[in-house]
This record gives sequence, structure tokens and C-alpha cells, in this order.
Amino acid sequence: EPEVTQTPSHQVTQMGQEVILRCVPISNHLYFYWYRQILGQKVEFLVSFYNNEISEKSEIFDDQFSVERPDGSNFTLKIRSTKLEDSAMYFCASRGGQGVRETQYFGPGTRLLVL
Amino acid sequence: QKEVEQDPGPLSVPEGAIVSLNCTYSNSAFQYFMWYRQYSRKGPELLMYTYSSGNKEDGRFTAQVDKSSKYISLFIRDSQPSDSATYLCAMRANTNAGKSTFGDGTTLTVKP
Repeated sequence: EPEVTQTPSHQVTQMGQEVILRCVPISNHLYFYWYRQILGQKVEFLVSFYNNEISEKSEIFDDQFSVERPDGSNFTLKIRSTKLEDSAMYFCASRGGQGVRETQYFGPGTRLLVL
Repeated sequence: QKEVEQDPGPLSVPEGAIVSLNCTYSNSAFQYFMWYRQYSRKGPELLMYTYSSGNKEDGRFTAQVDKSSKYISLFIRDSQPSDSATYLCAMRANTNAGKSTFGDGTTLTVKP
């Protein structure tokens, strides 16, 4: 069964450093998302991406964040200058189009720890 | 008021029990309703998906949506220890962005 994959599974970085989280969405899906989950808290929406542009972003997704689909398969989240409060699990998700493909399928996540 | 409120739990039941997990919401625009299962430090795994009101059954799982009451439920019959996990309700409007709004999650433990 097709699945969303994410790399790396874990990332430790120093405050102020740039990180890039990578995702390979399900092939033929059209909509791509990043969510995050701070330990013990709910899953929060960050950004959605469709047709090579951001569709919607939350207030969390400030100027330090950016997304890119550099080729036909990868979808990346970049945090330019990490803060301690960016420590969280980051989940990529993808969604197809009509009908049953309307559901979002999540990747296994990248655990980011900012020291 | 939160857009999505989920019964907080935790919930502990004996093996074989029927489990009921519930969420309420305030946004009338929500049309897609999902239940995800999440094991510790893993990604949400889609369990059930319902469009608009009604019931949907898949094996031991039944999802119910009552849009008039803004209330959704997930029932698990004959619960098993392997069902022990955190269950997340999620919902979204029929928009192009299609972002999902999640509940806080209910942690379920099924004891053998």
C-alpha cells in the first residue's frame, strides 16, 4: 500500500541553525501538508500546498518557515533559524482528489529537537 | 471555545468491551470527519473516514456523524489489547486547502 515517507526520523540541531525536513508524498496525490505535534499536545496545522503554491498557512507558519516541492516527488519544510519552541514532531501528509482520496495520509514524522 | 473538543480520557477498559470515543465541534463548515489512531511517537494512522452525516462500519469499528448536533463518535466492538493507543478525531471543510483540525486525543488502554 502506498505511504508517505519522511526523512530524517530524528534531527537534533542547535538553536539558530537551519533545518530541512523531507517528505515523499503518495504518488499521484495533489495536496500536501505539514503539521506539527509538540509532545503531549494536539496535532496542529502548519501549511497546505497545492499546484506549487501555498494554499493556506497557520499563524505558526511565520517567516522562519518555508516549503518547497523541488521536483516531482519531494516536499520539504525548511526552518531558517530554529528556536527552542520548534522542538516537536513534524508530520507530512498528502491527499488525492475526489471521493475516498479526500482523506489525508500521514507520514511517520520527524522528531526535531532544538538545543 | 475550541473548534474541536474531544473527550479527554484516559480510558481503560477490559478486553472485549465496547468502547465509545466522542468529539464535538463548532464549525458548521466541517464536512469530512476522520478518526486516526496514533501509537506513541508515531504518525497518525487513518482508521475511518466519513463524509457528511451517517454511519460507517469497518470490521469492529463504527463511525457515526450527527451534523445536526455537531457530534461524532467512534465505536470499537470486542476491544483488543492491540487497540491500546491514542485516538484522534479530525475534521475539515470542503475547501481547496483542506486543512484538518484535530481534537486533543483520547488515550485508550485495553487490559487483557
